[in-house]
Amino acid sequence: AQSVTQLDSQVPVFEEAPVELRCNYSSSVSVYLFWYVQYPNQGLQLLLKYLSGSTLVKGINGFEAEFNKSQTSFHLRKPSVHISDTAEYFCAVSDRRGSARQLTFGSGTQLTVLP
Amino acid sequence: GAGVSQSPSNKVTEKGKDVELRCDPISGHTALYWYRQSLGQGLEFLIYFQGNSAPDKSGLPSDRFSAERTGGSVSTLTIQRTQQEDSAVYLCASSSRVGGEQFFGPGTRLTVL
Repeated sequence: AQSVTQLDSQVPVFEEAPVELRCNYSSSVSVYLFWYVQYPNQGLQLLLKYLSGSTLVKGINGFEAEFNKSQTSFHLRKPSVHISDTAEYFCAVSDRRGSARQLTFGSGTQLTVLP
Repeated sequence: GAGVSQSPSNKVTEKGKDVELRCDPISGHTALYWYRQSLGQGLEFLIYFQGNSAPDKSGLPSDRFSAERTGGSVSTLTIQRTQQEDSAVYLCASSSRVGGEQFFGPGTRLTVL
């Protein structure tokens, strides 16, 4: 079984400032890692994913995340945020070996970009 | 269609009634997932379909919940004798293969009065 912890439920940040959204996971098996974004009244959209290879992964909209196996973390970063980045962000994992590969989500972080 | 579609977008029902929620996955996607997003529980996996295999029902919270997938395409999630705690947004996702990227629909917001 896996679990995902997003330490910050709300992150307010000023426009053009950098942001980091934290994600830690717990699993007894190897996992795949994902970040999804949910804009108001919309479904989830994949930002980026880590499956294997380079631990630094780049996603859409200028976001990137780094997989740190020793710290079991997958923090999401963006060097300069825009108003349009205001949304809820979910970190998720799936079992590499599972047949279903369903996602286990964190509780979400609401990013609010202030003018 | 271009993406996963779900209907209805909103559903208000009375406690004790049955409801059916529909999901149309992306054409050709063999894997289909249902999740529930609620204030108290966050995003939870409910059930998974892959091709003609038996579904993985491990996430269904009670026997009032069931789902089927007809012809390997459209799926219906049925909740019988709805309770107020069933109020949530029900999300459907599809994937072209097991372990592939899951594409999510906009969800159905269910309110049980």
